Amino acid sequence: GQQLNQSPQSMFIQEGEDVSMNCTSSSIFNTWLWYKQDPGEGPVLLIALYKAGELTSNGRLTAQFGITRKDSFLNISASIPSDVGIYFCAGQRPNSNSGYALNFGKGTSLLVTP
Amino acid sequence: DVKVTQSSRYLVKRTGEKVFLECVQDMDHENMFWYRQDPGLGLRLIYFSYDVKMKEKGDIPEGYSVSREKKERFSLILESASTNQTSMYLCASRPTTGLQYEQYFGPGTRLTVT
Repeated sequence: GQQLNQSPQSMFIQEGEDVSMNCTSSSIFNTWLWYKQDPGEGPVLLIALYKAGELTSNGRLTAQFGITRKDSFLNISASIPSDVGIYFCAGQRPNSNSGYALNFGKGTSLLVTP
Repeated sequence: DVKVTQSSRYLVKRTGEKVFLECVQDMDHENMFWYRQDPGLGLRLIYFSYDVKMKEKGDIPEGYSVSREKKERFSLILESASTNQTSMYLCASRPTTGLQYEQYFGPGTRLTVT
């Protein structure tokens, strides 16, 4: 399956700062998902996007499905220490020959200092 | 809430051993997946199943097999474990519901092969 290009690879920020990360692909996706993984745990779904241009919020998190359908962005406002973890983007390509499998980015590791 | 459980959080096995990783979900989901997660490589799909007794190869099936005898249970089998199979293994499930592609993950099994 195609890997998504996720950036930045890591971020080290101070509590209270805003965070932005993004995911791009050379192919069109019809679904974009954002997950967070705490150390030693499985990924947990944060936000799901289904339409090009869609902007969705979940508390301090906001994600957008790019108009071209080839990218997505996740923003975290006013970061707090419990935001620490790895954030993954995932996408579902139309007519994928992997059935319902997702393509994943390699993750953005976020560290927040108090 | 969707619950995906994995039989072990940590496992240490010797080279050449046969290893079984078990995954159970309690939400009557049709689709189940096995991924491995390695630093710098993200999540890679090993196998998935869209129904009982049905299985499809993912991106890296070599050295692995799977079994799905009951809807709620999906097993990953390492026929003869090797050191390059040391990794974090994640199980996921999702329903076949319209166009929703969200997958729900278990907590992961960290396997070390010595």
